[in-house]
Amino acid sequence: GAGVSQSPSNKVTEKGKDVELRCDPISGHTALYWYRQSLGQGLEFLIYFQGNSAPDKSGLPSDRFSAERTGGSVSTLTIQRTQQEDSAVYLCASSLSGKAETQYFGPGTRLLVL
Amino acid sequence: QKEVEQDPGPLSVPEGAIVSLNCTYSNSAFQYFMWYRQYSRKGPELLMYTYSSGNKEDGRFTAQVDKSSKYISLFIRDSQPSDSATYLCAMRAMDSNYQLIWGAGTKLIIKP
Repeated sequence: GAGVSQSPSNKVTEKGKDVELRCDPISGHTALYWYRQSLGQGLEFLIYFQGNSAPDKSGLPSDRFSAERTGGSVSTLTIQRTQQEDSAVYLCASSLSGKAETQYFGPGTRLLVL
Repeated sequence: QKEVEQDPGPLSVPEGAIVSLNCTYSNSAFQYFMWYRQYSRKGPELLMYTYSSGNKEDGRFTAQVDKSSKYISLFIRDSQPSDSATYLCAMRAMDSNYQLIWGAGTKLIIKP
């Protein structure tokens, strides 16, 4: 079956612009996670969805970051007024409910803010 | 001090060698221990996970957890150039149904 997909794979934007990143989880996976990975760093947790609800948004770095999930499937991560420090790889993962130890990752979106 | 410490490497070994990758942690509540492999410009891929203490083997890979020392290891036997990647450890406490704590990853290079 299809894995987790993310789009776009690469995004170059100018400082101050808004960007929208998309994640398509594995069918049937009700849990969805967004992470940020900077060069040479581990994964920084951003947000977790169970179905369409996000019980924990504490990892979002600032109020410029928001995320939503519709239909218990596709999720979008939006960054408003991008800053250079937002440049990173944004990874999405999904899992069965309560199975955070078996997360399946997408290939990531590489964001570069000029 | 980070909750999970992992040497970033790079660790360079000749093909065929046994590789040992390690993580230490400080939170005694961690019960699930995961190893992910990440190739360049790809997302992490789950290799294996262990619940509580003990060993788990899958082909050339063995995961080991020593909760008394708060130390986990991943051993790779008969290492191949295709094993060259970054290896990330991650951990989860029983009372957290979604939050994984990640190591920074160790870059492994297998020389032909």
